[in-house]
Amino acid sequence: EAQVTQNPRYLITVTGKKLTVTCSQNMNHEYMSWYRQDPGLGLRQIYYSMNVEVTDKGDVPEGYKVSRKEKRNFPLILESPSPNQTSLYFCASSLSSAVSEPIYEQYFGPGTRLTVT
Amino acid sequence: AQSVAQPEDQVNVAEGNPLTVKCTYSVSGNPYLFWYVQYPNRGLQFLLKYITGDNLVKGSYGFEAEFNKSQTSFHLKKPSALVSDSALYFCAVRPAIMFSGGYNKLIFGAGTRLAVHP
Repeated sequence: EAQVTQNPRYLITVTGKKLTVTCSQNMNHEYMSWYRQDPGLGLRQIYYSMNVEVTDKGDVPEGYKVSRKEKRNFPLILESPSPNQTSLYFCASSLSSAVSEPIYEQYFGPGTRLTVT
Repeated sequence: AQSVAQPEDQVNVAEGNPLTVKCTYSVSGNPYLFWYVQYPNRGLQFLLKYITGDNLVKGSYGFEAEFNKSQTSFHLKKPSALVSDSALYFCAVRPAIMFSGGYNKLIFGAGTRLAVHP
């Protein structure tokens, strides 16, 4: 089954304790992205990756790191989590398209609910 | 700034009645438009997209959306609502001209909660 998986699904941690949220896709997609979802704000992009070893900041990258060593995996790292990073996190992937069409939709993982106390 | 607006936090509809979830956008150039649905404790699921061509786009689960360039809108519609349609709906735009985020970046609205009552 084509899917994006995330782990863990739920995580409660304390301020300053490093954590990693894993994301994996089995669709051979070039593009992967992390979003956070907060009430009233919709989804905001944290980081994205156009392909292996190519990553860049999104709209809200502060406090996060990512890596893309393999095509299928795109982990999100919080080296020193703070309470304002309490949120619902989604990983997404898609085939990559540049300026020209076709335009591909993104596939989303099930989400990771993170609470930082 | 490029943005997407969903003016209604919640839409209430009786089962069997038509539904509309509104979306307007502000982007540079011609946009690519998407609707996603989120059921409780699930990720976002793709419903439909507008790229070019016919302004009326049909998607999954009987949903359709109408692109209106002059009004910069992309409203989601369904002729007859089901209780199982109750969920959180997101409108998203992929601008044709990107300033950051890569070519695949999506800009999301805040979401509209659809409640269909029996």
